[in-house]
Amino acid sequence: SYVLTQPPSVSVAPGKTASISCGGDNIGRKRVQWYQQRPGQAPVLVIYHDTDRPSGITERLSGSNSGDTATLIISRVEAGDEADYYCQVWDSINDHPKWVFGGGTKLTVL
Amino acid sequence: QVQLVQSGAEVKKPGASVRVSCKASGYTFTTYPISWVRQAPGQGLEWMGRIRISSGYTKSTQRLQGRLTMTTDTSSNTVYMELRSLTSDDTAVYYCAKGRGVMGDSFDYWGQGTLVSVSS
Repeated sequence: SYVLTQPPSVSVAPGKTASISCGGDNIGRKRVQWYQQRPGQAPVLVIYHDTDRPSGITERLSGSNSGDTATLIISRVEAGDEADYYCQVWDSINDHPKWVFGGGTKLTVL
Repeated sequence: QVQLVQSGAEVKKPGASVRVSCKASGYTFTTYPISWVRQAPGQGLEWMGRIRISSGYTKSTQRLQGRLTMTTDTSSNTVYMELRSLTSDDTAVYYCAKGRGVMGDSFDYWGQGTLVSVSS
């Protein structure tokens, strides 16, 4: 089955840029989504189809996807960005569709 | 506005079954699929299965096949998830999530989550 690999944690100082990676075999050929989950809350979709932001999501969040790595970039990091972030793709082998999540990355704002 | 409201927390004994409901509002219920995603304590997200509302067609992850049933009641805009033969490994928060777009390759709205605890 398809596996997505994320670093367990990323730390960044306020005002700086955070990058969270999501590795997968030829992930550049798939569409990647990113979710933000604050403690005790449900996940929120922040990036879909590699680079698109849903309505209401700050422009400070952006995404890229190429080769074997997709990346979520958070610019001008704020304390409120501290959360767990999950990447996700849709995969289908032998007509068995499934939705695959990465293990998640905890973003800590120093 | 789109809302998914789930039923309340459940405590079950090993071997029992649990049924969680997810009531949708604010959009055309039959157009978009609903998936179920669970999260064990301190762990990541795990996709469980999906139901297409218009057809009732379901797909589930292979590791839950035989234990997971998803159904829908279009008269009340509600989706149900039943998980049977529970073990302590099924202790988790269970979320319903609306598929974004007809294909539903991502999830744009989520329920508030339902904690299911399995303990003897």
